[in-house]
Amino acid sequence: AQTVTQSQPEMSVQEAETVTLSCTYDTSESNYYLFWYKQPPSRQMILVIRQEAYKQQNATENRFSVNFQKAAKSFSLKISDSQLGDTAMYFCAFTSLIQGAQKLVFGQGTRLTINP
Amino acid sequence: GAVVSQHPSRVICKSGTSVKIECRSLDFQATTMFWYRQFPKQSLMLMATSNEGSKATYEQGVEKDKFLINHASLTLSTLTVTSAHPEDSSFYICSARDAGTAYEQYFGPGTRLTVT
Repeated sequence: AQTVTQSQPEMSVQEAETVTLSCTYDTSESNYYLFWYKQPPSRQMILVIRQEAYKQQNATENRFSVNFQKAAKSFSLKISDSQLGDTAMYFCAFTSLIQGAQKLVFGQGTRLTINP
Repeated sequence: GAVVSQHPSRVICKSGTSVKIECRSLDFQATTMFWYRQFPKQSLMLMATSNEGSKATYEQGVEKDKFLINHASLTLSTLTVTSAHPEDSSFYICSARDAGTAYEQYFGPGTRLTVT
């Protein structure tokens, strides 16, 4: 079974700084998707970024980028020029591409606080 | 696009009664919907996967007779908590997968259930 591990329960940085959230996963599959979701205090889950395992190029979305290391099974999220609105829980998630195996496996989450 | 709604956002019910939570995909067809439970400061725990027109698949340890799931159309899934007890109090989140996109799940805003 796949597992996702986020080893940083909490992180705190100053506004405008860069912060990196760690995520490792375990799978025997070669094709899959990885995601970072953000859950602000409203508790609405918001997709931040997605990475297809077959793509070597790291995904980027504006201030958010990932460092995807397939061999090491590592998928970290970098937030540049952090803003107060980035304060949230961040969840790393994995999904298999095997037909029928559509569910997301979530990590434990990292609580990120951006301080003014 | 890709909006998922949940109703109600908050519900309080007496112990022993049943409560129904609706999850709707507003602008896409969702062949698969997922129901999660989230305890305070914890990650999302998948309860069940529902496919339109077929029986839901429950995760290990989830009582299917207590948490009834119906996915009667491509835009609506319902979760009914039967004979609710205080320990069922939690935050319930649904998500829907758009068959036309790459395995992404779009999340509803969640429902806070309190059983008194």
